[in-house]
Amino acid sequence: GIQVEQSPPDLILQEGANSTLRCNFSDSVNNLQWFHQNPWGQLINLFYIPSGTKQNGRLSATTVATERYSLLYISSSQTTDSGVYFCAVERRDDKIIFGKGTRLHILP
Amino acid sequence: ETGVTQTPRHLVMGMTNKKSLKCEQHLGHNAMYWYKQSAKKPLELMFVYSLEERVENNSVPSRFSPECPNSSHLFLHLHTLQPEDSALYLCASSLIAGGYNEQFFGPGTRLTVL
Repeated sequence: GIQVEQSPPDLILQEGANSTLRCNFSDSVNNLQWFHQNPWGQLINLFYIPSGTKQNGRLSATTVATERYSLLYISSSQTTDSGVYFCAVERRDDKIIFGKGTRLHILP
Repeated sequence: ETGVTQTPRHLVMGMTNKKSLKCEQHLGHNAMYWYKQSAKKPLELMFVYSLEERVENNSVPSRFSPECPNSSHLFLHLHTLQPEDSALYLCASSLIAGGYNEQFFGPGTRLTVL
């Protein structure tokens, strides 16, 4: 089945730094979504981005479907950005597969 | 209240207990989902309901029994669970299923099975 690989698995940054999180997928997908899970476990929808680039404040995402990857950019990191970032892809048969996530720690 | 809500937020149960998790969405969506998140594992899709009909069941043990009485409510009935079932159970909804739509998640129920 399709593989969804996220990198890096863990990332520690100082407040104010920028970061790039990557999601690679091994087959063509219908769609892709990025989520942030905060330290309390709540999963927040960030971007629904099957292709192209979107921006929301300090966050932006780019998906290059033909090359099977998506990137999530976080600029000027804040401690509230800490948590786990997941990407999820929808396979051609409509099944949804999540990556293992990138655990981000922003230090004050 | 808006968005997707889940109750209870925390649940501790014995292996012989029967309990239910509740999810409610106030977004006018027609599809609802149950996910399981175990420690150090990727999120796993358990069930998908579209217009109150189950359209996906990802080989989930029968000790988990979903119920979708209407498009706004989704339950997960639990009975004779095992300690390895301890996890965060997340509910989500989207406008439609089978044709991926943006999913919106509830806060989750953290389940501990003793």
